[in-house]
Amino acid sequence: QKEVEQDPGPLSVPEGAIVSLNCTYSNSAFQYFMWYRQYSRKGPELLMYTYSSGNKEDGRFTAQVDKSSKYISLFIRDSQPSDSATYLCAMKRGRTGFQKLVFGTGTRLLVSP
Amino acid sequence: EAQVTQNPRYLITVTGKKLTVTCSQNMNHEYMSWYRQDPGLGLRQIYYSMNVEVTDKGDVPEGYKVSRKEKRNFPLILESPSPNQTSLYFCASSRDGGATEAFFGQGTRLTVV
Repeated sequence: QKEVEQDPGPLSVPEGAIVSLNCTYSNSAFQYFMWYRQYSRKGPELLMYTYSSGNKEDGRFTAQVDKSSKYISLFIRDSQPSDSATYLCAMKRGRTGFQKLVFGTGTRLLVSP
Repeated sequence: EAQVTQNPRYLITVTGKKLTVTCSQNMNHEYMSWYRQDPGLGLRQIYYSMNVEVTDKGDVPEGYKVSRKEKRNFPLILESPSPNQTSLYFCASSRDGGATEAFFGQGTRLTVV
């Protein structure tokens, strides 16, 4: 079983829709949770970063962590064609010292005009 | 502009011919990593470095070598490439390695025939 599971998609939505992207994980030691966005032929770029359980909002993006369910989500409001990309969740066990990132396989999102 | 630069972006080579993929960052980051990205497997860490002359294996180090003689550079060396090393490779750097790995390079698409 993979430590982090993520539906590969593709997820196709019309412009303006609310998008929900999700990951589940098995290791309860994970405390830091990240979402990366990767455009085609580009490297991943950090989108959202949260610590432990709760919500974090940044513009049209909201990251949600439910540690009791080992489930994290990224919500995109008023989705735009420019949001079309692959979204990778990633997580780490701790902050101090070097902590390896464990990635999901990514969900491909397609937003049509 | 803060960036991680990889070269080359695309490379086709033959089995057994030694090659080096270069990675350079201009942010004075201490932590650098190499990942490979494969369909259905996501990003997997190959090697990482916490500082000059300090390197360690990630999840999939077989067939790869690295060196860190200068803080800004972290080359990935394939001494005898094989077809199963055909993949998309990313170099990443971070300030402290503990919380996030915020900067990825543009990627190197390697094909070994």
